[in-house]
Amino acid sequence: TQLLEQSPQFLSIQEGENLTVYCNSSSVFSSLQWYRQEPGEGPVLLVTVVTGGEVKKLKRLTFQFGDARKDSSLHITAAQPGDTGLYLCAVHGSSNTGKLIFGQGTTLQVKP
Amino acid sequence: DTAVSQTPKYLVTQMGNDKSIKCEQNLGHDTMYWYKQDSKKFLKIMFSYNNKELIINETVPNRFSPKSPDKAHLNLHINSLELGDSAVYFCASSQDPRLPGLSTDTQYFGPGTRLTVL
Repeated sequence: TQLLEQSPQFLSIQEGENLTVYCNSSSVFSSLQWYRQEPGEGPVLLVTVVTGGEVKKLKRLTFQFGDARKDSSLHITAAQPGDTGLYLCAVHGSSNTGKLIFGQGTTLQVKP
Repeated sequence: DTAVSQTPKYLVTQMGNDKSIKCEQNLGHDTMYWYKQDSKKFLKIMFSYNNKELIINETVPNRFSPKSPDKAHLNLHINSLELGDSAVYFCASSQDPRLPGLSTDTQYFGPGTRLTVL
């Protein structure tokens, strides 16, 4: 059983459409991170959310941390081909070792 | 200019061989990590080092041995390669997560090394 369940696993949409990706768990976290990984590259941190109910915006991307800090969502408005990539949510392990635990990822393809 | 670099980018080898992947970071970070990403894109930590000291050692076969000659380098040596070792291996670095306020510090990932074992 995965600690973090991401859905959907795959998403193929047309340019200009909106989409939401979810990251769910039965555990409570002190913080949660979202990464984007482009083909042939390593993951890049997009945002860290730390407060229940927190909403953070990064241009057309809106991140929300659930009130109970068990889940998070990533909403993209008017998706563009440049948004194509693998979106990963992640949390840190319980000890301060830097250990990141990732969800299985959502592969997004935005067609022009 | 590159923050975290890995060599080689691609590695194709036969079963049973021994190979190494090198990682270097120029960010001045104390902590470095190795992650493995399988064919389903699932990314999982393998090891971490802080200033040459092993911190994280997940359940990884002992054919895998990380080596850190200094805090800017973390290499991964793999003995007796098996088909199941085929994956993309990522190196990452961050400030020391054990320091106050840095437990969730940003990790910077390298571009990955795609290992194919035939």
